Amino acid sequence: NAGVTQTPKFQVLKTGQSMTLQCAQDMNHNSMYWYRQDPGMGLRLIYYSASEGTTDKGEVPNGYNVSRLNKREFSLRLESAAPSQTSVYFCASSDRQGVAGELFFGEGSRLTVL
Amino acid sequence: GENVEQHPSTLSVQEGDSAVIKCTYSDSASNYFPWYKQELGKRPQLIIDIRSNVGEKKDQRIAVTLNKTAKHFSLHITETQPEDSAVYFCAAVGGYSTLTFGKGTMLLVSP
Repeated sequence: NAGVTQTPKFQVLKTGQSMTLQCAQDMNHNSMYWYRQDPGMGLRLIYYSASEGTTDKGEVPNGYNVSRLNKREFSLRLESAAPSQTSVYFCASSDRQGVAGELFFGEGSRLTVL
Repeated sequence: GENVEQHPSTLSVQEGDSAVIKCTYSDSASNYFPWYKQELGKRPQLIIDIRSNVGEKKDQRIAVTLNKTAKHFSLHITETQPEDSAVYFCAAVGGYSTLTFGKGTMLLVSP
């Protein structure tokens, strides 16, 4: 039982390049999330998927797209990377959204955009 | 939407002292308040949570209190140890919304 697995763990991009962060969970959770973490800013929600087949914008969605490929996988895509997207990205899952939803986080992906 | 303010941003204590971190929230409909601990270079992990029908919850050396009238909740760590050093995040949510996190408190426990 690996929990939440994200790849890659580290990535360096040049401005304008694209990339996809992959996330998979093996806990049969319905809800999945992508957060970014910047110094002094806490965890900010980029996009989430309350259940398979649905996705919604979070607090900071600009410059990102997501795909809920199936119940296990939720990917985050940067179409044209910008230096402002340099951050640590965390994928998370929960068995249900909202009140009872403990979040289980992946190990994080550190992205640097030059 | 929900707004969560967390204070202090940094907190230094001596081993054995108590530490208190405070959060306020804006949405009176919020009814679930978790706390996450993030050690350096690690992922955030849930350490304790409280729901709106409870005023206080304890788990060994950590406790959380909730004041719904004032819309604030606090994390209390007693007999702090060096391994308590980490960043702590509070969060709030209500209904079928998503968690809103505070900006975090870096706790440093000195031996």
